[in-house]
Amino acid sequence: DGGITQSPKYLFRKEGQNVTLSCEQNLNHDAMYWYRQDPGQGLRLIYYSQIVNDFQKGDIAEGYSVSREKKESFPLTVTSAQKNPTAFYLCASSSWASGNSYEQYFGPGTRLTVT
Amino acid sequence: QKEVEQDPGPLSVPEGAIVSLNCTYSNSAFQYFMWYRQYSRKGPELLMYTYSSGNKEDGRFTAQVDKSSKYISLFIRDSQPSDSATYLCAMGGQGGSEKLVFGKGTKLTVNP
Repeated sequence: DGGITQSPKYLFRKEGQNVTLSCEQNLNHDAMYWYRQDPGQGLRLIYYSQIVNDFQKGDIAEGYSVSREKKESFPLTVTSAQKNPTAFYLCASSSWASGNSYEQYFGPGTRLTVT
Repeated sequence: QKEVEQDPGPLSVPEGAIVSLNCTYSNSAFQYFMWYRQYSRKGPELLMYTYSSGNKEDGRFTAQVDKSSKYISLFIRDSQPSDSATYLCAMGGQGGSEKLVFGKGTKLTVNP
């Protein structure tokens, strides 16, 4: 089955620890994205990558880092510098070949709780 | 003025009702308009997308875009309890970037 996988589904960490969220896709999509969703808020873009070894900051990149070493993978690290890391994190991907690179497909999400 | 405005609801309707969900936007550069459905604690699922103005129909769902009014709508006919979810509008097409701007979502409950 083609799709986007995120692991783990739930993640708990102590304050001051860095944590890495996994995102893998087997859709052969070019672009990948990380969003954060808080209750009552829309999706806010953290980072995105249009090609391997290149990525751009989104609207709320402070306290986060990413890498894109492989087309299929776009891990997100939540660092201790992120002031309010507890949130629902969503990974998405899109394809230029589809003719509409704005069609983003989402993974199931990772709920991160930091105490 | 926010780029995308969406009434958060909640919206509660009886089964079989026609549901109308709406978003307004301020950026006239938007060309692509999407509707996503998100069940509780799940990732959003792409329901409909429309390019520029006009209507698009898929089964019980109809998406409308009125660029002159900067207003988009999603209609759900013969609503079912399984349609109970949060619906997010999203828009893109600004300055060559593939970024989307999302509304905050409208929570819909369809009562049997």
